[in-house]
Amino acid sequence: EVQLVESGGGLIQPGGSLRLSCAASGFTVSSHYMSWVRQAPGKGLEWVSVIYSGGSTYYADSVKGRFTISRDTSKNTLYLQMNSLRAEDTAVYYCAIGWDWFDPWGQGTLVTVSS
Amino acid sequence: DIQMTQSPSSLSASVGDRVTITCRASQSISTYLNWYQQKPGKAPKLLIYVASSLQSGVPSRFSGSGSGTDFTLTISSLQPEDFATYYCQQTYTTPRTFGQGTNVEIK
Repeated sequence: EVQLVESGGGLIQPGGSLRLSCAASGFTVSSHYMSWVRQAPGKGLEWVSVIYSGGSTYYADSVKGRFTISRDTSKNTLYLQMNSLRAEDTAVYYCAIGWDWFDPWGQGTLVTVSS
Repeated sequence: DIQMTQSPSSLSASVGDRVTITCRASQSISTYLNWYQQKPGKAPKLLIYVASSLQSGVPSRFSGSGSGTDFTLTISSLQPEDFATYYCQQTYTTPRTFGQGTNVEIK
């Protein structure tokens, strides 16, 4: 069974850094396009980043230069390194398989940026 | 960026009703349009991909149509478990963008 489990969220002060993990099972992360999507409290969905199976990466303008997507094939895990965090980065962060459509999604991890 | 606009933003309906949600793209996206369902506190779930293809395991009362800039999601007979928020998403270009969501509530 394909499963995605995010972790690493929490409360962080503005300007701080956090690394989110998305542990995958039932498939190989490096063989698929993998995406991060976030959802601010009470708001809609916003695509954040993608890593292609070939390794190319792309980011939303709102996070470009601050966030880095990566993967570890030995751990079959996707990551999102988030630096210079801002209050507007507060959201539930989901990882998902795919690029043409996103399916399935993990359960999400909450990141709260506040002093 | 391509803007996705859903209408209505919310609706009230009864069990058994036929429900239609519309999604409009700010430019043509061919059929690169997906629909997701999200229940409170849960991750989104893929319902429809490439405008009209039903994801495996999704009930046949859900259907999608459209191409170009105008798309619809139809629930033929609303069931209690269908009360949720629905999002459209374009995957024609980067960045991938979503509609603002349509909240389907119980009348």
